[in-house]
Order: sequence, then structure tokens, then C-alpha cells
Amino acid sequence: DVKVTQSSRYLVKRTGEKVFLECVQDMDHENMFWYRQDPGLGLRLIYFSYDVKMKEKGDIPEGYSVSREKKERFSLILESASTNQTSMYLCASRALRGPSYGYTFGSGTRLTVV
Amino acid sequence: KNQVEQSPQSLIILEGKNCTLQCNYTVSPFSNLRWYKQDTGRGPVSLTIMTFSENTKSNGRYTATLDADTKQSSLHITASQLSDSASYICVAFTGFQKLVFGTGTRLLVSP
Repeated sequence: DVKVTQSSRYLVKRTGEKVFLECVQDMDHENMFWYRQDPGLGLRLIYFSYDVKMKEKGDIPEGYSVSREKKERFSLILESASTNQTSMYLCASRALRGPSYGYTFGSGTRLTVV
Repeated sequence: KNQVEQSPQSLIILEGKNCTLQCNYTVSPFSNLRWYKQDTGRGPVSLTIMTFSENTKSNGRYTATLDADTKQSSLHITASQLSDSASYICVAFTGFQKLVFGTGTRLLVSP
């Protein structure tokens, strides 16, 4: 089974802190994604990466950056956390072919910024 | 504008009963449609994948239908169980592999 692992289930940070959310996948997928999920808004794409060291802005990239130095790891960075970034963050990876074709989501990180 | 609308927003049913969740999508170009189940505090897990040429697809007690003409899909759950309590998210994929998410239906199965 494809595994997408997010390092923290719950995180509480203070306003202004720099926050790192880590995501690791074990199936050699090229594509990885970061979404945030808020009640009534569904999942919204923050950033995605087609391959190592490549990144593309999604629909709501403001206040976020990403890093993909290795194929299996995709990090989301909140440079200076703000209360409106309190949300559920979901990482996903995608296989373009083969038995695990499609998207696989991680379990999510619920971030609270106080 | 690409969008996916789901109804109802929330639903409570008794254990053992059936229910149907609805999804209307406006996505162009359309590639395929998926239903995901998301347990509280967890990530979404894929239930079904349907292309425009498929009308019905089943996964155990879950049956999804797709009407590409009316751009509607439904997810039917048979003989509901307590473990079916979750949010169900309809996701439309465009021809450019962009995902358009619905906001989900929150289902509560009551004993």
C-alpha cells in the first residue's frame, strides 16, 4: 500500500512563528501536493511539485512556501504563522501509472495558530 | 467556472438504512469523478473512480452512479453501518488533472 505520512497529527504554534509541515511518501511518486481544508470551503490547493526541486503555486499560495529537496519529501513552510492559517493541512502524492495510479492522501495535520 | 456542489450538507440516518448522496459538477474538460470517504481527523480515502463512459461502479456497500449528460453523480450506501459515519467528498478531475473538490456531505449513522 502507498503510504503518505505527515509528521504531526496536531500542532499548536504561536503567531509569527516559522512552521514546518513535513510529508513523506514511500512509493517514488513524482507528484506531491499540499492542500488546506476548512469547513464549508473544501480542499484548496496551496502548492504542488512535479518533481524534485520543482514547485508550482496552487490556488492559495500566499503566506506559504515549499521545499522538495528529495523525491520522497515535500515540506510546507509557513514563514510567519498567522491565526488565519489555522486549518487542517493535507498532503497528497500521485502516481501517474502503475498499480497505485491516482492520488493518495496523508492523514492530515491539524494546525492551530494562537 | 469549475465547481462541484454536494447535497445534502449533512445527513443523519439509522443504522441499517440506505442513503444517497448527490454531487453536481461543472468541470471542463471533464476527465473522471471520484468519491472519497474522510473519517474525522483523517485524510480522504478513495472509494470509487468513474470516467465519463461509466454509469455505475460499486465498491462493497457503496455504489456510485454518473450521468455525464446532466453532470450529476450519486453515491448510494446500502445497509449503513456505524463505521460509515464520515464526510463524503465528491471530486471532479479535469482533463489537465486538476482536482475540483466539493465541500462534502457529513453523514452520521445513528444506532
